Amino acid sequence: EIVMTQSPATLSVSPGERATLSCRASQSVRGSVAWYQQKPGQAPRLLIYGASTRATGTPARFSGSGSGTEFSLTISSLQSEDFAVYYCQQYNDWPRITFGPGTKVEI
Amino acid sequence: QVQLVESGGGVVQPGRSLRLSCAASGFTFSSHAMHWVRQAPGKGLQWVAVIAHDGRDKHHADSVSGRFTISRDNSKNTLYLQMDSLRAEDTAVYYCAKDVAAAAKYYFDYWGQGTLVTVSS
Repeated sequence: EIVMTQSPATLSVSPGERATLSCRASQSVRGSVAWYQQKPGQAPRLLIYGASTRATGTPARFSGSGSGTEFSLTISSLQSEDFAVYYCQQYNDWPRITFGPGTKVEI
Repeated sequence: QVQLVESGGGVVQPGRSLRLSCAASGFTFSSHAMHWVRQAPGKGLQWVAVIAHDGRDKHHADSVSGRFTISRDNSKNTLYLQMDSLRAEDTAVYYCAKDVAAAAKYYFDYWGQGTLVTVSS
């Protein structure tokens, strides 16, 4: 099973600041990484797939990058609605897809 | 708009069974693979099972293989998860999730709101 790790576990930022979240895979997953946002009491929402392609409706302030084992999600200027937990997911090793433990972005 | 509505969760004793349903609308259900993903209280996401658009191909996570069975009825636009021999560690919110493709690309563009399954004596 491919293990996905995320850092930091919690990221404290102020509105308007830039935030960079990291995700690492235990072996290469090529570009097969998706990012999801989850707010309390809500289902996850797809933000990014293919490591860098924004899903429909994802604001341009969200960008993804990386390949192989190292990936990142950047939020260029945090808005109040962006405070949430973010999960990365690999889907290269299907059907044994795995998620990272999440990064909580807090004020 | 796309809607996925899960039902069937509840409190069940260890060793018993439960069947979850997910009613889909707002898209061509028969053209998309579908998944179940779960989230234990306060924990992260764990993929559970996938079924291809036509129901012919399905896979289950090792942790539920032999106990859970995914199925679908395209005439009713409904996805199911039959859960047998339930264990305490199966306690979670269960989400149904829509794949972006028919044969499964294994990432999910829409999720339901989830249904809570609690396994406890």
